[in-house]
Amino acid sequence: QKEVEQDPGPLSVPEGAIVSLNCTYSNSAFQYFMWYRQYSRKGPELLMYTYSSGNKEDGRFTAQVDKSSKYISLFIRDSQPSDSATYLCAMSGGDSSYKLIFGSGTRLLVRP
Amino acid sequence: SAVISQKPSRDICQRGTSLTIQCQVDSQVTMMFWYRQQPGQSLTLIATANQGSEATYESGFVIDKFPISRPNLTFSTLTVSNMSPEDSSIYLCSVLTSGTGYGYTFGSGTRLTVV
Repeated sequence: QKEVEQDPGPLSVPEGAIVSLNCTYSNSAFQYFMWYRQYSRKGPELLMYTYSSGNKEDGRFTAQVDKSSKYISLFIRDSQPSDSATYLCAMSGGDSSYKLIFGSGTRLLVRP
Repeated sequence: SAVISQKPSRDICQRGTSLTIQCQVDSQVTMMFWYRQQPGQSLTLIATANQGSEATYESGFVIDKFPISRPNLTFSTLTVSNMSPEDSSIYLCSVLTSGTGYGYTFGSGTRLTVV
C-alpha cells in the first residue's frame, strides 16, 4: 500500500464547475499538507499548504485536511481552462519533516 | 520565493553514458533536493544536498549511480551515471520555500530519455 493515494484521473469538467480533488494517506505522523499544480513540461508549483487539520482558502482554491479520516481535499471554484493541469498532493511530518511524500497526481481538464 | 534554473531542459542519451544536470538558485539556500518523476508516477526524492557535506541518499538510490555535488549555497549538480532506459525520467531540483512550512519550489526539470 502506498503512503499517499491519489486518483490519477483524468477528470474532465466544463468551465465554471466546482472541482474536487482528493488524497488519502496512511501515515498519522503527517502534519504538513500541500497541493501542487504541474503544467505539461513544467516543474510543480506550490498552490496551497496547510499545517495540521482545518481549511484554508486562497481565491478560488480551498484546501481541507481531515486528519481523523486521513483525507485531504482541494476544491477549485469557477474552474477555468487555464486550471487544466496535473494536481499533486504532498505531505510530510515526523522525524523527516522536510521530506515530502507525493501522490501520483490527478490530471484535470477544464473544457471551455 | 526562490527562482531555480535547471539545465539542460531535455536530453536524449545513449545507454552507458552519463549526464550531469545543473541547478542554479537565485538566493542562498541550505538544503537542495533532487527528485525523480517517472512517467505517470509521483515524485520520488533521490537525495538531499547540503553545502559542505556529502549528500544524503534515499533508499533505492546510491552515490555511484547518482553522484551529487554542492560546491556552494546556490548551486548543485546531479549526475546520472551509466544510464539505462530505466533512467528515462524527469529530474527536478528543489529548495524549501520560505514561509510555507515545508513547501518546495521546483525547477522546471530535465526530461531525460535514454536510448
